[in-house]
Amino acid sequence: NAGVTQTPKFQVLKTGQSMTLQCAQDMNHNSMYWYRQDPGMGLRLIYYSASEGTTDKGEVPNGYNVSRLNKREFSLRLESAAPSQTSVYFCASSHSPGQVGDTQYFGPGTRLTVL
Amino acid sequence: QKEVEQNSGPLSVPEGAIASLNCTYSDRGSQSFFWYRQYSGKSPELIMFIYSNGDKEDGRFTAQLNKASQYVSLLIRDSQPSDSATYLCAVGGSQGNLIFGKGTKLSVKP
Repeated sequence: NAGVTQTPKFQVLKTGQSMTLQCAQDMNHNSMYWYRQDPGMGLRLIYYSASEGTTDKGEVPNGYNVSRLNKREFSLRLESAAPSQTSVYFCASSHSPGQVGDTQYFGPGTRLTVL
Repeated sequence: QKEVEQNSGPLSVPEGAIASLNCTYSDRGSQSFFWYRQYSGKSPELIMFIYSNGDKEDGRFTAQLNKASQYVSLLIRDSQPSDSATYLCAVGGSQGNLIFGKGTKLSVKP
């Protein structure tokens, strides 16, 4: 099992460019999540999908859109990148959101720089 | 606003000592409590979770939960240089989302 995979690993964009970050999991998990991690800010939830066909905003959704393509895949799109979106982006998945002990497993991350 | 607070550190301990990491949370309805370890440049990996008051042990790691005081801790016995990392406390509720603390950086000196 590969677990949670993310592409690309690194990306440099110019202000105003768009891009899509891809995430896939092979653990048959129901829920998937997108976080960003900035120095001194910890992990902050951007969007999540509790199950196939649903998506919801997290703490910092502005400037992002998501698509739950199927049970395995959850993508994050930046329509018009801004320097404030320079960050490390992590995708995570879990089996049973809301159940006690439900654990999130993380992908390796995408390091994005917006110039 | 649900919050999870951790001392940012760095916490420095000598090899072989006990490292004690602490976390407080604001939401009394929280049900699940997690400790993740994150090496520099890597993704968070789960160490353990706890959901009942008291202690839970897994090898050199012990998680402690006190819901009345809204306090979670992680003890690392016989600390090794390979334990040097940032430790993230995360708290989950019935919605399924996790709220993460900003992490405590631990340095174990040989």
